[in-house]
Amino acid sequence: EPEVTQTPSHQVTQMGQEVILRCVPISNHLYFYWYRQILGQKVEFLVSFYNNEISEKSEIFDDQFSVERPDGSNFTLKIRSTKLEDSAMYFCASSASGGATQYFGPGTRLLVL
Amino acid sequence: QQQVKQSPQSLIVQKGGISIINCAYENTAFDYFPWYQQFPGKGPALLIAIRPDVSEKKEGRFTISFNKSAKQFSLHIMDSQPGDSATYFCAASTGRGSTLGRLYFGRGTQLTVWP
Repeated sequence: EPEVTQTPSHQVTQMGQEVILRCVPISNHLYFYWYRQILGQKVEFLVSFYNNEISEKSEIFDDQFSVERPDGSNFTLKIRSTKLEDSAMYFCASSASGGATQYFGPGTRLLVL
Repeated sequence: QQQVKQSPQSLIVQKGGISIINCAYENTAFDYFPWYQQFPGKGPALLIAIRPDVSEKKEGRFTISFNKSAKQFSLHIMDSQPGDSATYFCAASTGRGSTLGRLYFGRGTQLTVWP
């Protein structure tokens, strides 16, 4: 069964450093998403991406964040200058269409020290 | 503003019992209501979903009940098993407009099923 994959599974970084989280969505999907989950809290939307551009972003997704689909398979989330409060689990998701089921990857646990 | 409200925050059920988790929403543009199951350290996995044109959907031991007029929906887990112990999130999204596809999640319910 096709699945969304994410790398790395864990990332530890120093405050102020740049991190890139990588995702490989399901191959025939067209819509891509990033969500985050701070430990013990609900899953929060960050950004949606379609047709090589951002469709929507939340208030969390400020100028420190960017997304890119550098090739036909990868979808990345970059945090330019990490803050302590960026520590969270980051999930990538993909769907075949905008209102369809979203399939989540296993997540990247980011710890900012 | 909390788009989707979920209760209870935690639930303890005996094996074989019925687990019921409730959600309420405000945005009438929502037209897709999935439930996700999450085990510790894993990503949310779709359990079951419903659209507002039906009032109930059943898949095995899992049933969604949907009340459009009350803007509420609930998940019922029949014959609950210890393996069902997980965190359950309700969510909602709209298939149209500027927020196309964005999932709004409830705060989650930690379900524990005692053997």
